[in-house]
Amino acid sequence: SQQGEEDPQALSIQEGENATMNCSYKTSINNLQWYRQNSGRGLVHLILIRSNEREKHSGRLRVTLDTSKKSSSLLITASRAADTASYFCATGTQNSGGSNYKLTFGKGTLLTVNP
Amino acid sequence: GAVVSQHPSWVICKSGTSVKIECRSLDFQATTMFWYRQFPKQSLMLMATSNEGSKATYEQGVEKDKFLINHASLTLSTLTVTSAHPEDSSFYICSDTSGYTDTQYFGPGTRLTVL
Repeated sequence: SQQGEEDPQALSIQEGENATMNCSYKTSINNLQWYRQNSGRGLVHLILIRSNEREKHSGRLRVTLDTSKKSSSLLITASRAADTASYFCATGTQNSGGSNYKLTFGKGTLLTVNP
Repeated sequence: GAVVSQHPSWVICKSGTSVKIECRSLDFQATTMFWYRQFPKQSLMLMATSNEGSKATYEQGVEKDKFLINHASLTLSTLTVTSAHPEDSSFYICSDTSGYTDTQYFGPGTRLTVL
């Protein structure tokens, strides 16, 4: 079943601007991850934030996690045309066997960065 | 990150035939692999978790007799769509993890079109 819900569904900005995408989820999680997907391609892992972390940075990416609100945000600063892609949040939870994690993906945000 | 390959990248088949998709972990031993399905403009839905040397664990609503998964080695998992129908047309993506990390590494995906 769907866990994460991204907001907005689509976002169009100019190159150089910042892009913020939000993700909400419903159940408790071990971690939350953000992935990027170019049209018709596989997914690229961007960043993972654990349930006991509140903020994480990686290059131009900044992710926040608020477990009390069950929400996360992804900020891309100084966007570039090459950042155009779909961005998905995915919640990582332990499976019933306790041995492996599984990811449950949100519906994604389509980001378009105009040159 | 890890490198995962899929073969074929796209396949067109007639209704009623079976199609096998391969997922290979190229640079480390993947104890666990995951198979996802993605319909156009939608999110990834986990179909099953494939564990090396044991039976796959299927998500609710996924027919295990229709989507056969084999994970006979630490570098290869296969998904066979049996008696494919047009509604099985989708983008199938695999991912792997060594089991010691929460990060999943995704293959480039296989586009299946059933006529």
